[in-house]
Amino acid sequence: IAGITQAPTSQILAAGRRMTLRCTQDMRHNAMYWYRQDLGLGLRLIHYSNTAGTTGKGEVPDGYSVSRANTDDFPLTLASAVPSQTSVYFCASTPSVESDEQFFGPGTRLTVL
Amino acid sequence: GQNIDQPTEMTATEGAIVQINCTYQTSGFNGLFWYQQHAGEAPTFLSYNVLDGLEEKGRFSSFLSRSKGYSYLLLKELQMKDSASYLCAVRDGDYKLSFGAGTTVTVRA
Repeated sequence: IAGITQAPTSQILAAGRRMTLRCTQDMRHNAMYWYRQDLGLGLRLIHYSNTAGTTGKGEVPDGYSVSRANTDDFPLTLASAVPSQTSVYFCASTPSVESDEQFFGPGTRLTVL
Repeated sequence: GQNIDQPTEMTATEGAIVQINCTYQTSGFNGLFWYQQHAGEAPTFLSYNVLDGLEEKGRFSSFLSRSKGYSYLLLKELQMKDSASYLCAVRDGDYKLSFGAGTTVTVRA
């Protein structure tokens, strides 16, 4: 089934641990995004990639890193998790940065204790 | 970042009409989007406005006034399944999306 997938669905993590959230799309979209969603704050952009091989910082990039080695995959890494990174993380993709619609993955619920 | 304001909550009766307003301030403008998000699910795209005026899609319509930094989403003939959060998002001059905090709409029988 074409679309965008994320793994894991949910995770409980001890503070200080390293964690990688996975995002894969099979729609051959050039642009991909990572957002976090917190109650009362809405979706906030963490990092983005306009095309394979390039990445950029969004509104809240501190404590996160990304890579875009190919078109399909856009992993998000927390090098040393902290409780304030407890959130729901959504990956999204779009054919190009000028496209009308962003397609969202199902999300990863992360709890850092 | 951008400044995007929308009401926190709205309640309406099944079959009625509800209008969700969104005001924004942005550096550069490349479109305004509305997304629907049911509890525990991912956002799904509803509408896109880049020029002033009204865009209609079935029971949903979206309006944009760029000079006023204002948009609204109009939901007609409300159904119980329309109970959800509605997110206003603005794409800036760098083609990045900024989202408002969302408006939770509750439809009552």
